Amino acid sequence: AQSVAQPEDQVNVAEGNPLTVKCTYSVSGNPYLFWYVQYPNRGLQFLLKYITGDNLVKGSYGFEAEFNKSQTSFHLKKPSALVSDSALYFCAVRPEYYGNNRLAFGKGNQVVVIP
Amino acid sequence: DAGITQSPRHKVTETGTPVTLRCHQTENHRYMYWYRQDPGHGLRLIHYSYGVKDTDKGEVSDGYSVSRSKTEDFLLTLESATSSQTSVYFCAISGRDRNQPQHFGDGTRLSIL
Repeated sequence: AQSVAQPEDQVNVAEGNPLTVKCTYSVSGNPYLFWYVQYPNRGLQFLLKYITGDNLVKGSYGFEAEFNKSQTSFHLKKPSALVSDSALYFCAVRPEYYGNNRLAFGKGNQVVVIP
Repeated sequence: DAGITQSPRHKVTETGTPVTLRCHQTENHRYMYWYRQDPGHGLRLIHYSYGVKDTDKGEVSDGYSVSRSKTEDFLLTLESATSSQTSVYFCAISGRDRNQPQHFGDGTRLSIL
C-alpha cells in the first residue's frame, strides 16, 4: 500500500526566505505525486503534481516541487516566502497503475511565515 | 474552483442521533470520497464511490454508511452519532484518469455533544 511521510509538524520561516516542505513516499511502481494547501476553514486546494518528465514541477502561487526517484522524495519549495503562505500543506501519492484510485495523504505540515 | 458543495457547513447534534451529510458536485466526476480531518491524524478516508451505487470502505469506516443514487450526490450517514465522530468532514471528487488530482469541498464541521 502507498504511504507518505511529512517528517516535520511545523516549519517556521522568515518572510522573504526560501521555504521547503519535505515529503517522502512509498508506492509500488511509478508514483503520481500531489501537493495541496489548506487555509483555515477551507478545503484542500491543489497546488501542483508530478506525473512524468521534468523532475522540477512548477505550480500555483510561485510554488515548485522537486521529484527525486532515488530518494523517493517530492519536496515543495518556494524561493521567497510570503506571510500569506502560512497554511497547512499536504503531500499525497497514488501509484501510476496499481490498485484503486485512492490517494494516500501525509499528516500535513503547518507552515508559519514570520513577518 | 471545482463545483463541490457540502451541506450543512456546520452542525451540532447529540449523541445517539442520526446525521446525514451531503456532497453535491457539478463536474460529472466518477469518483467521490469522504474524509475526516482530526488534529494529529491528517486526512483519513471514510468511504469512497467509483460510480452510482458503487462504494467501498476506507480506513475508518466503522460507524459510517454512504449512498450514491446519482452521479452528483454522495451522502454520508452516521447512524447513531458518538462523540468520537466530532470532526471536520471533507468531500472530494476526481475524474477517471489516475494522473488527475482530487478536488475538495470546504468541509462540514460536526460537533456531537
